[in-house]
Amino acid sequence: RKEVEQDPGPFNVPEGATVAFNCTYSNSASQSFFWYRQDCRKEPKLLMSVYSSGNEDGRFTAQLNRASQYISLLIRDSKLSDSATYLCVVNGAGGSYIPTFGRGTSLIVHP
Amino acid sequence: SAVISQKPSRDICQRGTSLTIQCQVDSQVTMMFWYRQQPGQSLTLIATANQGSEATYESGFVIDKFPISRPNLTFSTLTVSNMSPEDSSIYLCSVAGQNSGNTIYFGEGSWLTVV
Repeated sequence: RKEVEQDPGPFNVPEGATVAFNCTYSNSASQSFFWYRQDCRKEPKLLMSVYSSGNEDGRFTAQLNRASQYISLLIRDSKLSDSATYLCVVNGAGGSYIPTFGRGTSLIVHP
Repeated sequence: SAVISQKPSRDICQRGTSLTIQCQVDSQVTMMFWYRQQPGQSLTLIATANQGSEATYESGFVIDKFPISRPNLTFSTLTVSNMSPEDSSIYLCSVAGQNSGNTIYFGEGSWLTVV
């Protein structure tokens, strides 16, 4: 089983739709969780951190479920500019800073 | 957040040659990593660059092929040695540490094409 698993997609949704991605992780000792966004031929950039209490930033909401070992990302009112690959990142297990990346979920928002 | 500068940003190289990629950070960081992302693939960790000692390589990556230096807390280099077309990829420098709350920051990447 991979340490961090994501559905690669692509998720193909119309503008204005709500879309959600999940990411599961295998190491229950993981401490930090993030969602990154990667545009084509660009480096990954931090979208948001994921806290136990959840985290909301505008149209984006991230949740952590430690019992089931997954994190989620919800995007409301999708925009064309949201089209990208969304990477789930987990680290901090055993005090390690070495991050583990999911393979990413591709989102395509169409008119 | 940390500002990370990588160079070269892109290069086209002949097979059999070597290329050194530089990574400069605007502040001292605990951890520096080198990743590779081949076309259409996910990020793969090559190694953790350790200040003042040999890098820690992940399975499938060796020092002879990817020598890494880290002379201080703000600078690292990755060399891709004896290149082949299979080494064509984007190489990304990233940093993390206590001051960033475990958040990982990336340089803009170095796009390498081997012909």
